[in-house]
Amino acid sequence: RKEVEQDPGPFNVPEGATVAFNCTYSNSASQSFFWYRQDCRKEPKLLMSVYSSGNEDGRFTAQLNRASQYISLLIRDSKLSDSATYLCAGDKAAGNKLTFGGGTRVLVKP
Amino acid sequence: DVKVTQSSRYLVKRTGEKVFLECVQDMDHENMFWYRQDPGLGLRLIYFSYDVKMKEKGDIPEGYSVSREKKERFSLILESASTNQTSMYLCASSPQLGNQPQHFGDGTRLSIL
Repeated sequence: RKEVEQDPGPFNVPEGATVAFNCTYSNSASQSFFWYRQDCRKEPKLLMSVYSSGNEDGRFTAQLNRASQYISLLIRDSKLSDSATYLCAGDKAAGNKLTFGGGTRVLVKP
Repeated sequence: DVKVTQSSRYLVKRTGEKVFLECVQDMDHENMFWYRQDPGLGLRLIYFSYDVKMKEKGDIPEGYSVSREKKERFSLILESASTNQTSMYLCASSPQLGNQPQHFGDGTRLSIL
């Protein structure tokens, strides 16, 4: 089993709709989680850090469920520009290294 | 804003060549990382460094080496390039304080012919 797993998608989302997807992790000692956005052929860019139960930034909300060992990302009022691959990452037991999931592709369509 | 700069966006080299990929960060971060990203395999850690002259192997170090002579610079070396090293290479940095995100450079798309 991979340490961090994501549904690869794609999630096809109508513009203006809400989409949510999960990231599961196997290392129960992980303390910090991060969502990155990656556009095609570009580098991952930090979207959000999650240290406790969750975080919210505008239309983006992340929720951490430690009991079930998953982190979710919810995007409200989806924009065409939200189309990207979203990578989840978790730390290796409070260390400096991160383990990345394979990414979830989101396609927002008019 | 954190700035991580990779020396080349695109690079084409021949099998057997020694290849150098350079990465510089301007945020005085202690930690620096080299990953490769391939379709279906995601991001895989090659090497990382937590201080000058310090390095540790990641998950796929074979065929690679690294150099960290200065805090701001972390170099990835392909000793003798092979076609299976064709990939997107990403450098990242983070501060020493734990639980911090990594910040990525814009990547080097390397083709080995």
